[in-house]
Amino acid sequence: NAGVTQTPKFQVLKTGQSMTLQCAQDMNHEYMSWYRQDPGMGLRLIHYSVGAGITDQGEVPNGYNVSRSTTEDFPLRLLSAAPSQTSVYFCASSQDRRPDPNSPLHFGNGTRLTVT
Amino acid sequence: GESVGLHLPTLSVQEGDNSIINCAYSNSASDYFIWYKQESGKGPQFIIDIRSNMDKRQGQRVTVLLNKTVKHLSLQIAATQPGDSAVYFCAETPAGTYKYIFGTGTRLKVLA
Repeated sequence: NAGVTQTPKFQVLKTGQSMTLQCAQDMNHEYMSWYRQDPGMGLRLIHYSVGAGITDQGEVPNGYNVSRSTTEDFPLRLLSAAPSQTSVYFCASSQDRRPDPNSPLHFGNGTRLTVT
Repeated sequence: GESVGLHLPTLSVQEGDNSIINCAYSNSASDYFIWYKQESGKGPQFIIDIRSNMDKRQGQRVTVLLNKTVKHLSLQIAATQPGDSAVYFCAETPAGTYKYIFGTGTRLKVLA
């Protein structure tokens, strides 16, 4: 059981380049989400999805796009990378959208992105 | 990862001692709280949770205490081991929302 798998683990981009961070889960979870983690700050929600074909914005969505064509995959796209997007990105999933002891949030191991 | 921990408070404890990690949460309407452990280079890992209708919950070697009066949450780790070295952070979820609010974390260092 792989859980939540993120690729790549590390990425360096130049300003203006685009890329996609991949996230896949094999737990048949309905809810998937993307967070960024920056020094001195808690995890901040970028985008989330409550099921295939449904996505919505989180706290810091600007500069990022997502899609959810299947239950398993939830890629995060940076259309034109900026130095402010240098961060560690985590994908997380849970059975239900609602925070609940029966539906804990499972995290991947992150993608460390540097934009120069 | 290491860069995330640059500005974190650090708690150093001797191996075998008990550790207490504290968290002040922000929203008095929060009704569900979770503690996560994050090891270097890895994603956050669920440790234990508690609902607001409880003030204490015990797991294996861990206990979470909730004081709603002062909006304070603590994580107690008994007989701390080297493998407990990590960043620990709390999360709260305001009632009626689907939102997690994450704290910034505390680094726990276990001294041999």
